Amino acid sequence: QKEVEQNSGPLSVPEGAIASLNCTYSDRGSQSFFWYRQYSGKSPELIMFIYSNGDKEDGRFTAQLNKASQYVSLLIRDSQPSDSATYLCAVTGTDKLIFGTGTRLQVFP
Amino acid sequence: SAVISQKPSRDICQRGTSLTIQCQVDSQVTMMFWYRQQPGQSLTLIATANQGSEATYESGFVIDKFPISRPNLTFSTLTVSNMSPEDSSIYLCSFLHQGKREQYFGPGTRLTVT
Repeated sequence: QKEVEQNSGPLSVPEGAIASLNCTYSDRGSQSFFWYRQYSGKSPELIMFIYSNGDKEDGRFTAQLNKASQYVSLLIRDSQPSDSATYLCAVTGTDKLIFGTGTRLQVFP
Repeated sequence: SAVISQKPSRDICQRGTSLTIQCQVDSQVTMMFWYRQQPGQSLTLIATANQGSEATYESGFVIDKFPISRPNLTFSTLTVSNMSPEDSSIYLCSFLHQGKREQYFGPGTRLTVT
């Protein structure tokens, strides 16, 4: 079992819709959870982090964490074509950040 | 947040040669890391660059192949030695501020080995 799992996609959503990206992790001791956005040919950009169960909102982005079920999700409201990118979920393991393989999001006009 | 830069941004190198990548942060940071991202893949941690001591390497990576220096709290280098085409990848520098959990990445170095 992979430590951090994501659906590779692509996830295609129309402009203005809500994009929902999901991630599960295997280490119950994980404490910190991150979402990075990576445009093609660019480095990962940190867009959200969450440390406690529940929801955390920042603009059009909402991160959701459920430690009991070991999943973390990212909702993007009012999706724009500029949101088209690969979204990497990352989880802090015992001493390092562990990345999922990423979900490719495509927002079409 | 801090600004992080890497040099070179890209390079094309011949098999058997070595390349040193530089990473500079504009403020002092506690931890610096080096990652590799091969085409179509996620990020793999190569090592943690420790200031004033040897780097801590992850399984599958060795100091002879990827020597790392970190002479101070704002600067680190990664050398890719005796390169082969399998080393073609994007190499990324990353850092953590003291007391923080959020990790940030530099712009990356795209390496092609022919």
